[in-house]
Amino acid sequence: TQLLEQSPQFLSIQEGENLTVYCNSSSVFSSLQWYRQEPGEGPVLLVTVVTGGEVKKLKRLTFQFGDARKDSSLHITAAQPGDTGLYLCAGSESYGNKLVFGAGTILRVKS
Amino acid sequence: DVKVTQSSRYLVKRTGEKVFLECVQDMDHENMFWYRQDPGLGLRLIYFSYDVKMKEKGDIPEGYSVSREKKERFSLILESASTNQTSMYLCASSLAGGYYTDTQYFGPGTRLTVL
Repeated sequence: TQLLEQSPQFLSIQEGENLTVYCNSSSVFSSLQWYRQEPGEGPVLLVTVVTGGEVKKLKRLTFQFGDARKDSSLHITAAQPGDTGLYLCAGSESYGNKLVFGAGTILRVKS
Repeated sequence: DVKVTQSSRYLVKRTGEKVFLECVQDMDHENMFWYRQDPGLGLRLIYFSYDVKMKEKGDIPEGYSVSREKKERFSLILESASTNQTSMYLCASSLAGGYYTDTQYFGPGTRLTVL
């Protein structure tokens, strides 16, 4: 099973600060997804990246897939309290639809 | 609007009981999944199903079984619940995928406590 390591595990910042969450593996993934999960809810997909070097932006969130497709990052600009949640990266294996999830990063944005 | 529902949000059972967790999706998706989520471990795949009556083991199938008699319904069964099965259980569904993974839609989860 391919492993995905996320860092940091926990992040507590003030509103308006920038932050980056990392997702790393020694394996190559065919695609990588980022999910956000709020308390009491299931994860919700934010983005899917499929091409090495790909950068996608979703308002204040910027997602990057590494050139070698072994790592990804999520950068949030000017974080808001509404960004608080658990951020999960998930990579798909080379076949089928199974996802391998990282352990997650708990983000708390204080106002 | 896509929807995945799970039969219970909270469940408390005793050791040795047989436990059924139900999941229903209304999106006509072929694929359905059961995960458990534990702090610091992320989501771990228990079982998935890519068609009615078809199932495949995930990464941690021991102590669990599943049933998919209808396309929209996927059940997770704990034959004899144990305390180490206390966890958050998440169901998800997705369209049949190709080279890269389609979006997985998750239910709200069932928090199971085994005493």
